[in-house]
Amino acid sequence: QVQLVQSGAEVQKPGASVKVSCKASGYTFTSYDINWVRQATGQGLEWMGWMNPNSGKTGYTQKFQGRVTMTRDTSISTAYMELSSLRSEDTAVYYCARIPSNCISTTCTLQYWGQGTLVFVSS
Amino acid sequence: QSALTQPASVSGSPGQSITISCTGTSSDVGGYKFVSWYQQHTGKAPKLMIYDVSNRPSGVSNRFSGSKSGNTASLTISGLQAEDEADYYCSSYASSISLVFGGGTKVTVL
Repeated sequence: QVQLVQSGAEVQKPGASVKVSCKASGYTFTSYDINWVRQATGQGLEWMGWMNPNSGKTGYTQKFQGRVTMTRDTSISTAYMELSSLRSEDTAVYYCARIPSNCISTTCTLQYWGQGTLVFVSS
Repeated sequence: QSALTQPASVSGSPGQSITISCTGTSSDVGGYKFVSWYQQHTGKAPKLMIYDVSNRPSGVSNRFSGSKSGNTASLTISGLQAEDEADYYCSSYASSISLVFGGGTKVTVL
């Protein structure tokens, strides 16, 4: 069965960086894009961007341009999301989710989600 | 792009039907068939309930249905049950390989 298993909770200081991992299993890692979505406490879902594990190509929403980097290691079927220059407003649960590559030709939906990783930013 | 607009809360009694709206623009909801709905219980990851406007993934109850008219999509829950109490989010493809979410709707079963 398809599973996305994320790394554990992180506590970081303002100005630092955090790197969250998302290990995929149960399917061919390079056949589906990984999207990242975050959710601040008590708030809604916020889409951050996507990464194609086959090519390594990425796309980020403007809000996070320059601060987020999405990468992958295909040898261990793992995607990463690194967010730099952290501030208190970045305290949130970060989710990875799977979407078909070139989704416009199939379906642009996040069918499988990781369990979420809490990132807490505090001095 | 701006978030899609959802009502903050909707409530209903057990057995009733409720509908949650999701309003966007011609650049997202109105322009593509890729509207999805997610259910999220407190402390849990979102769960896909509807994709491509009106399709249900395997295992999702047929009490959940979706539709779209113009720039507004809707999720209807029929035969409301206690377990349906959760937050619901719509999302849409919004061009250039991007997605946009609604602000979320809290469903309360009275």
